[in-house]
This record gives sequence, structure tokens and C-alpha cells, in this order.
Amino acid sequence: EVQLVESGGGLVQPGGSLRLSCAASGFSFSSYVMNWVRQAPGKGLEWVSGISGSGTSTYYADSVKGRFTISRDNSKNTLDLQVNSLRVEDTAVYFCAKRQTNQPIDYWGQGTLVTVSS
Amino acid sequence: DIQMTQSPSTLSASVGDRVTITCRASQSISSWLAWYQHKPGKAPKVLINQASGLESGVPSRFSGSGSGTEFTLTISSLQPDDFATYYCQQYYIYPLTFGGGTKVEIK
Repeated sequence: EVQLVESGGGLVQPGGSLRLSCAASGFSFSSYVMNWVRQAPGKGLEWVSGISGSGTSTYYADSVKGRFTISRDNSKNTLDLQVNSLRVEDTAVYFCAKRQTNQPIDYWGQGTLVTVSS
Repeated sequence: DIQMTQSPSTLSASVGDRVTITCRASQSISSWLAWYQHKPGKAPKVLINQASGLESGVPSRFSGSGSGTEFTLTISSLQPDDFATYYCQQYYIYPLTFGGGTKVEIK
């Protein structure tokens, strides 16, 4: 059974940092492009970042470029998102999601909530 | 970046209705388009890939069409389980982008 379990969310002040993690199981992790997608309260889905199966290629939305860093450890089947210089508008549920190259996202985790507030 | 524009943003319909949601891309994405269903508190679920390919296990009342810049998702006969928010997403090029969503409500 495929599982993606996010952790690391919480309450942080503007300008602060968090490290989100996603533990993957039930599939060949290194064969999949992994992604972070977020949903702010009352808003739609926003793709945030993606990383190739090997980890050599990374991609970011303009809204987070330079502040967020995606990484993966294929030996541990884990995906991370280091989020720095957080803003109030980064408040959202962050979903870990997988896809194969040239395919849509086919599985999502349940999400972890990040709240940025003073 | 490719902008995805969905319409309508909200749709009120009754069980048994035929429902159509439109998605427009700001530039051609060929058929690199997916449709997702999202219910509150749950993970989104992919319904359609490659603009018209029905995902395994998805009821046949869902269908997708279009290519280039204009796409549609059709639900042929709305069922109680279908009340949710629907998103289109292009996966032609990074950054991947979603439409703003269409909330299908009970009339």
C-alpha cells in the first residue's frame, strides 16, 4: 500500500523556518518525481516544488524560489522541504505528492499544517 | 509561467444533472492536463490524465476533452459523492500550475 506521511508543520513567526518531511513507503521511491503542493485556508491548490527521482533536478514556484529548498534521501525514502523566511501568506496545508515523469500527480499525503503568525 | 483559468468558480447543480467545467491555459499545453477531485480534509484524487484518459477506478460518468488551450471536464449524471471541488492542472512544463478550482455545490 502506498503511503506518504508528512510531518514537521506547526506555528512559526514571520521570518522563521521549518523543515517539513515526508516518509514514503509502498512504491519504488527513487523512480518517482516528488512534489510539495500547498493549500492556504479557503484557497485553491498551489504547486510549490518538485525534485527528480535522482535528486539532481529541482523546481520551484516563483512564490517560494530562494526561500524554500527541496531535497530527498532515496536510501531512507524521505522527502524534505526546508522553508525559510516564512511569510504570513505561506500559511497552508502542505501536501507531499508523487508523480512519474510526464504523468500527473497520482498520490497525495494527508498534509501537514504550517501556520505563520506573530 | 502558464496560467490556468477555470470556470465557473462555483456551480450549483442537482443529482442527475450534466455538469461541465472549463479550463483554459495561457499557452498551448498539448494534452498535458489532469483533472483532480478534492474533498475537505482529504487528499486530492486524480480523475483524468492526458486531457481525456480516465484514471483506473474512476466512474465512467467522468470524462475529459480538449487539447492545446481549451479543456473540459464533464460529469454526465451528477451523483451525491461528486459534490466537491475540481481542479485542472498542467504538467507540460515547470512550474506546474493549477486552475483556481470549481466548487460543485448541491442546488
